[in-house]
Amino acid sequence: GIQVEQSPPDLILQEGANSTLRCNFSDSVNNLQWFHQNPWGQLINLFYIPSGTKQNGRLSATTVATERYSLLYISSSQTTDSGVYFCAVGGLGTYKYIFGTGTRLKVLA
Amino acid sequence: DAGVTQSPTHLIKTRGQHVTLRCSPISGHKSVSWYQQVLGQGPQFIFQYYEKEERGRGNFPDRFSARQFPNYSSELNVNALLLGDSALYLCASSSGGTSIYEQYFGPGTRLTVT
Repeated sequence: GIQVEQSPPDLILQEGANSTLRCNFSDSVNNLQWFHQNPWGQLINLFYIPSGTKQNGRLSATTVATERYSLLYISSSQTTDSGVYFCAVGGLGTYKYIFGTGTRLKVLA
Repeated sequence: DAGVTQSPTHLIKTRGQHVTLRCSPISGHKSVSWYQQVLGQGPQFIFQYYEKEERGRGNFPDRFSARQFPNYSSELNVNALLLGDSALYLCASSSGGTSIYEQYFGPGTRLTVT
């Protein structure tokens, strides 16, 4: 099956700093989402981005499907950005998402 | 519009018991998926249902079963609970069809087995 690797596993930032989270996957995918899991466990949709680039406020994401990776950019980080960021991918003809191991982000005031 | 809802929020059960978790998808969504998230790991796929039919099943024992009702809500049942079943159970809905499409997750049910 598809393997999903996220890096870095842990990240500590000072408020206002920028960061880049990476998601590598081992095979072709036609579905890819980025999620933020808050301390209460809720998975919040950030981007549905099987290819291309999207931006939403301070967040943006880029997926290069042919090279099998996706990047999530967080600019001007805030303490509320803390939590775990997951990348999830789905292959062609499958009905499930495979999640990466996540990046645990802590933003310090 | 209401998002995905799940009930109960928390649940404590004893080994060997049975549990039923419930999920209501976003209005208009016909697909429901279930995931298990053990502490410190990413969610693992359990089932996907579309139009009341099972479309996919993850690597979970037969103690796990699910169904989808005509109103597209869904139940996840787990029999003969083990300590290792303690986890956050997440339900996701999507417009479904021939692929996963964008999935929207509910708040989860936190199950503790003692």
